[in-house]
Amino acid sequence: DADVTQTPRNRITKTGKRIMLECSQTKGHDRMYWYRQDPGLGLRLIYYSFDVKDINKGEISDGYSVSRQAQAKFSLSLESAIPNQTALYFCATSDTTGGTDTQYFGPGTRLTVL
Amino acid sequence: EDQVTQSPEALRLQEGESSSLNCSYTVSGLRGLFWYRQDPGKGPEFLFTLYSAGEEKEKERLKATLTKKESFLHITAPKPEDSATYLCAATYGGATNKLIFGTGTLLAVQP
Repeated sequence: DADVTQTPRNRITKTGKRIMLECSQTKGHDRMYWYRQDPGLGLRLIYYSFDVKDINKGEISDGYSVSRQAQAKFSLSLESAIPNQTALYFCATSDTTGGTDTQYFGPGTRLTVL
Repeated sequence: EDQVTQSPEALRLQEGESSSLNCSYTVSGLRGLFWYRQDPGKGPEFLFTLYSAGEEKEKERLKATLTKKESFLHITAPKPEDSATYLCAATYGGATNKLIFGTGTLLAVQP
């Protein structure tokens, strides 16, 4: 079984709809992240969480919110989806082996907002 | 501005034709330089972390090296299954968990 899972894997929705993307991990890591990937722009950090009570904004948090329901679960919500939120979304987890976090990514969710 | 730049954007090789991918970085206080492989429709797969200039790491046909300004991913005698996008990322300063990514090099290895 995969260590980091994301649901759904694909989603098509309409402008203005509320969307939730879910991430679960069995790696036992405390830190979890949400990224989006756009062609030509690379991966950009949306939110990250050090533990259930510690959630931080990343580079591009506007229009998004998150919830850390448990150590193993981290959800990303789009309260009112807009077309420029069409992208690939990745969840990641990390540990601090070697003094620097090594991040491990899930398989991604392809989101299309019409 | 802190940034990571990868070149070339795309590279086409014949099977067995060795080459290198470049990742140049301008960040303050590099903590770690990461290489990932990403296949179409999948999440990035961790390959290597390099921490200091002069460090090298190898895995099968891949070898990553690091200088004070850039990192190289050397691919020796590539095979078609090495075709993927290779991503470079850096952590720097006090935030060891914040990765800044390059836009990747799309590698195609033809039989």
